[in-house]
Amino acid sequence: EDKVVQSPLSLVVHEGDTVTLNCSYEVTNFRSLLWYKQEKKAPTFLFMLTSSGIEKKSGRLSSILDKKELFSILNITATQTGDSAIYLCAVISTGNQFYFGTGTSLTVIP
Amino acid sequence: DVKVTQSSRYLVKRTGEKVFLECVQDMDHENMFWYRQDPGLGLRLIYFSYDVKMKEKGDIPEGYSVSREKKERFSLILESASTNQTSMYLCASRSGGGAPNEQFFGPGTRLTVL
Repeated sequence: EDKVVQSPLSLVVHEGDTVTLNCSYEVTNFRSLLWYKQEKKAPTFLFMLTSSGIEKKSGRLSSILDKKELFSILNITATQTGDSAIYLCAVISTGNQFYFGTGTSLTVIP
Repeated sequence: DVKVTQSSRYLVKRTGEKVFLECVQDMDHENMFWYRQDPGLGLRLIYFSYDVKMKEKGDIPEGYSVSREKKERFSLILESASTNQTSMYLCASRSGGGAPNEQFFGPGTRLTVL
């Protein structure tokens, strides 16, 4: 069965800490992997990853995909309270089907 | 095994047609959501419902309506489809009292309006 699993389920860190969020997947006919940040109701797009080993970076956030080991990580350095959110990982198949993980809830405390 | 299902994987409709997208969840969740996913725009919330017969507008409700007659089913309706409604539509559900990240998405419906 195709699935996406995120870990940890939740995380509490102090401001300034670095965090690594994990997303592993078992999806036949993988096309791409997406990361989202969800603060309120609608997730905000962060990254799309298609190729292995190429890091995508945006400010303090970065992400990389390993298509051999079937996982991706999302790194956040120097965390701030505004980073508190649920981070969702989704995989899209070549058939355009979405598979979402249930997310990692990150809380950054001052 | 938790499941959110959507009635169609692919739909092709003509401008002006009325379109129904159905979402069914078997987890007895109170909250259900409809999003659309467009390249470069991420997921945008169209409507959500926190109980049977209750609905609230999301960020982009124009051109859409919804129906929640039963707890397990949340329908998205395009009264008169237009080409700018060509998109990937995703349904999600979440328990009212559960942890915020216990949210489950359906596989998506790719709608093309010609």
